[in-house]
Amino acid sequence: KNEVEQSPQNLTAQEGEFITINCSYSVGISALHWLQQHPGGGIVSLFMLSSGKKKHGRLIATINIQEKHSSLHITASHPRDSAVYICAVRGETSGSRLTFGEGTQLTVNP
Amino acid sequence: KAGVTQTPRYLIKTRGQQVTLSCSPISGHRSVSWYQQTPGQGLQFLFEYFSETQRNKGNFPGRFSGRQFSNSRSEMNVSTLELGDSALYLCASRGQGASYEQYFGPGTRLTVT
Repeated sequence: KNEVEQSPQNLTAQEGEFITINCSYSVGISALHWLQQHPGGGIVSLFMLSSGKKKHGRLIATINIQEKHSSLHITASHPRDSAVYICAVRGETSGSRLTFGEGTQLTVNP
Repeated sequence: KAGVTQTPRYLIKTRGQQVTLSCSPISGHRSVSWYQQTPGQGLQFLFEYFSETQRNKGNFPGRFSGRQFSNSRSEMNVSTLELGDSALYLCASRGQGASYEQYFGPGTRLTVT
């Protein structure tokens, strides 16, 4: 079993829909990251969480430390949101080392 | 502030050759981490350098090595290249302290033929 599990692996939505991507992890962490990767490879950090909830524009990320679970929500999805979304965790004693989920390929159709 | 830069962006090498990739972190960041991304294995941690010392190492063979210079710039080297080393190699830099985020460079796309 991977230390970081994401679901779903693939997600297709219509423009305007509310989207949720889930991430579960099995280790103690100091932080959880949500990353976005567009074709071409560049990775952008969307959120870094150690507790609670963060919001940036149409994106919301939550984390439940007790349940070892995090969700990324996209409200009013848009075709430009189409990308791979990756959950990554930083262990309690692992410096800057990140362990990644397999990613969720999101396609938003107009 | 300039972001993380990586050179070269694209590279084609032949099996058996060696390659050196370079990463310049964000100014003031002393931690540099390297990651390999392949379609089959996804993103995997290679190693982390902090103040010129390797602080952490992933599960990769000894053909993969790295170093960090006093200005925090880092290089990684892969010797005796194999076809399976074809991948996107990403570096990320981070400031000190648990609240600091990692910032990723654009990556180097290595193709081994």
